[in-house]
Amino acid sequence: ETVMTQSPATLSVSPGERATLSCRASQSVSSNLAWYQQKPGQAPRLVIYGASTRATGIPARFSGSGSGTEFTLTISSLQSEDFAVYYCQQYNNWPPWTFGQGTKVEIK
Amino acid sequence: EVQLVESGGGLVQPGRSLRLSCTASGFTFGDYAMSWFRQAPGKGLEWVIFIRSKAYGETTEYAASVKGRFTISRDDSKSIAYLQMNSLKTEDTAVYYCTRVPEHGWYFDLWGRGTLVTVSS
Repeated sequence: ETVMTQSPATLSVSPGERATLSCRASQSVSSNLAWYQQKPGQAPRLVIYGASTRATGIPARFSGSGSGTEFTLTISSLQSEDFAVYYCQQYNNWPPWTFGQGTKVEIK
Repeated sequence: EVQLVESGGGLVQPGRSLRLSCTASGFTFGDYAMSWFRQAPGKGLEWVIFIRSKAYGETTEYAASVKGRFTISRDDSKSIAYLQMNSLKTEDTAVYYCTRVPEHGWYFDLWGRGTLVTVSS
């Protein structure tokens, strides 16, 4: 099973600032990495797939990078609606599909 | 509108069964694989079960934690995916989400709002 590890657990950022979230895989997942956003009481929403492709309707301030075992999600200028928990998930070595434990982006 | 709507959750005693439904609309259901995830209260996301489209033989995959107890099926004529949960345990308590999976994509591009399953005596 591919273990996904996210850091940090919590990221405190002021609106308008840049947020950088990290995700590491225990073995290579190539570029088969997705990021999801989850707000309290809501379902997750796909943000990034293929490590760097924005999903439909996702603003350009979201960008993803990386391949192999190291990945980054960057939110260039945080808006109020971006404060949420973000999960990375690999879909290269399945089953099982595995997620990181999440990074909570909170208002500083 | 493109959406997935789960139903069938509720309170059930340990050892009993429950069937969840996921009704799709706004897209060609039969073209996609489908999967279920769950999220225990205050916890992260856990993949549960998966079924491919008819074109790929409706093959299934199961998480180790549910293998032998849960099954997945689909009715493309009704655009519904089902999750049959038997021999439920207290640790199965979670919000269950239905998701859409592009064939050859293997990420989860559309999620339902979820349905809460509580297993308790």
